[in-house]
Amino acid sequence: DADVTQTPRNRITKTGKRIMLECSQTKGHDRMYWYRQDPGLGLRLIYYSFDVKDINKGEISDGYSVSRQAQAKFSLSLESAIPNQTALYFCATSGGSYEQYFGPGTRLTVT
Amino acid sequence: AQSVTQLDSQVPVFEEAPVELRCNYSSSVSVYLFWYVQYPNQGLQLLLKYLSGSTLVKGINGFEAEFNKSQTSFHLRKPSVHISDTAEYFCAVINQAGTALIFGKGTTLSVSS
Repeated sequence: DADVTQTPRNRITKTGKRIMLECSQTKGHDRMYWYRQDPGLGLRLIYYSFDVKDINKGEISDGYSVSRQAQAKFSLSLESAIPNQTALYFCATSGGSYEQYFGPGTRLTVT
Repeated sequence: AQSVTQLDSQVPVFEEAPVELRCNYSSSVSVYLFWYVQYPNQGLQLLLKYLSGSTLVKGINGFEAEFNKSQTSFHLRKPSVHISDTAEYFCAVINQAGTALIFGKGTTLSVSS
């Protein structure tokens, strides 16, 4: 079984809809991250969390919110989706050694 | 602020040829560097990392990278590539606060026969 799982793997939604992307991990790591990947732009950090009570904004947090429901679960929400949020979204975890472990990604399309 | 520049967006090579993917970084603090690989329709996988010690770092799948502090570079190399090495490669550096990675924009390696 994968150490970092993301659901859904693919999602098409309409402008203005609320959508939640979920991430779970079995690595026992405290640190979790959400990134988005756009062609030619690499990965950009949206939010990160070092424990259940610690949430921090990343480089591009506008239009997004997160919830750390448990050590193993970290969800990303788009309150009102817009087309320029169409991207590939990755969750990652880290045990404090700086090395990050990535999930398989969620491909989100906003029409 | 830290940043990472991957100097080539696309690198086409023939099978069994050597390859170098170039990465330059800027950092005013301790430097921790990483190379990740992303195969088509997959997440990112760590190839190798430099945290301290020997400047020549060996990773998985025959890749290696050399940390050059004076050149602020961390180039990735492989002496003989395979078709299966076709993927996107990302260089990354830890940010100043030590809280997250900053990624380059990626280099697409295309290996053909």
